[in-house]
Amino acid sequence: DTGVSQDPRHKITKRGQNVTFRCDPISEHNRLYWYRQTLGQGPEFLTYFQNEAQLEKSRLLSDRFSAERPKGSFSTLEIQRTEQGDSAMYLCASSLRGGQMGTQYFGPGTRLLVL
Amino acid sequence: AQTVTQSQPEMSVQEAETVTLSCTYDTSESDYYLFWYKQPPSRQMILVIRQEAYKQQNATENRFSVNFQKAAKSFSLKISDSQLGDAAMYFCAYRSAVSGLSFGAGTTVTVRA
Repeated sequence: DTGVSQDPRHKITKRGQNVTFRCDPISEHNRLYWYRQTLGQGPEFLTYFQNEAQLEKSRLLSDRFSAERPKGSFSTLEIQRTEQGDSAMYLCASSLRGGQMGTQYFGPGTRLLVL
Repeated sequence: AQTVTQSQPEMSVQEAETVTLSCTYDTSESDYYLFWYKQPPSRQMILVIRQEAYKQQNATENRFSVNFQKAAKSFSLKISDSQLGDAAMYFCAYRSAVSGLSFGAGTTVTVRA
């Protein structure tokens, strides 16, 4: 069990650019979640997938954000036309449906800085 | 939407002593799960302890235990015999049957040697 991995760990971009983050969940986990965490705050839920289906999206997920999980394995989160307010840590988590009370296991996060 | 409130931004504890972190939540559901996560500085979030709402018995994991009061919608975390490695930000989180987690704002725990 290698845990949840995320790539890249850090990203610096200029306002207006597009960025894409990748998350690889724990191999047998069929649910995958994305969160955003700003400094000193708790994570905020963005969206989640069960296998390849995106089942829930938060109102925080504006039109500039899109997430995919095409084969039910890894997932990508893309932010288009980045704004300075998008600067945050983006966390991915995965869980096993029906197991361990649906406990979510988190990756190390991708820290985004928009200049 | 469920809200989770952690009223203590910071707590300090002497090594080997006990500290209790408070958490309250608001929900109209009867079936849900509660979690405490720990996030050390610049490190990833790890699970500390979890509780199912329909279980009366309070969960324990080694030096960590919870006091779950369902009627009061309270879910406090007790850290016994505090160690330097316990220093971190602690988040209380709520999850209904099928949803993402709702987190509180966190409590920063410092451990004095």
